[in-house]
Amino acid sequence: EAQVTQNPRYLITVTGKKLTVTCSQNMNHEYMSWYRQDPGLGLRQIYYSMNVEVTDKGDVPEGYKVSRKEKRNFPLILESPSPNQTSLYFCASVIAVGGYNEQFFGPGTRLTVL
Amino acid sequence: RKEVEQDPGPFNVPEGATVAFNCTYSNSASQSFFWYRQDCRKEPKLLMSVYSSGNEDGRFTAQLNRASQYISLLIRDSKLSDSATYLCVVNRGTNAGKSTFGDGTTLTVKP
Repeated sequence: EAQVTQNPRYLITVTGKKLTVTCSQNMNHEYMSWYRQDPGLGLRQIYYSMNVEVTDKGDVPEGYKVSRKEKRNFPLILESPSPNQTSLYFCASVIAVGGYNEQFFGPGTRLTVL
Repeated sequence: RKEVEQDPGPFNVPEGATVAFNCTYSNSASQSFFWYRQDCRKEPKLLMSVYSSGNEDGRFTAQLNRASQYISLLIRDSKLSDSATYLCVVNRGTNAGKSTFGDGTTLTVKP
């Protein structure tokens, strides 16, 4: 089954404690993205990756890091989480073939930073 | 001004009604456009792409007006199951990875 998985689904942590949210896709897509979703602010793109070892900043990259060492995985790293990073995070894997483009989202990770 | 703006609603309509959502974008270099649907904080899912010539998928019709920089979604014969938040999405340039989402328009279809 084609899917995007994220782990953990829920996480409560404390300020400053490094954490990683994993994202994996089994569709062999080149493009992957991370978003955060906050009430009243919609989904905002944090980082995206066009292929292995190729990443670029989205609209709200501050406080986040990503890596793309292999095609299927695109982890999101918070080196020193702060309360303003409390949010719902979505990873997406993107198919872009010819004129067709579709983002497949993972189920989301609800993060609370105390 | 936000790069992609939608009327947040909420839109409350009876079953069978026709409802239209609009979305405006500010970056004239935007290349591709989409409507996604999101149910109650679940993951968004593609509803339909929006093409310059307009496109239809069953009860759903999407239109793009590049001159005025807006996108529309028309839902005919609304069903209870259409209740959701509809997200307008714009990709800048030809980069498939760089996307901007609108804040979403919430639709509630009532019996």
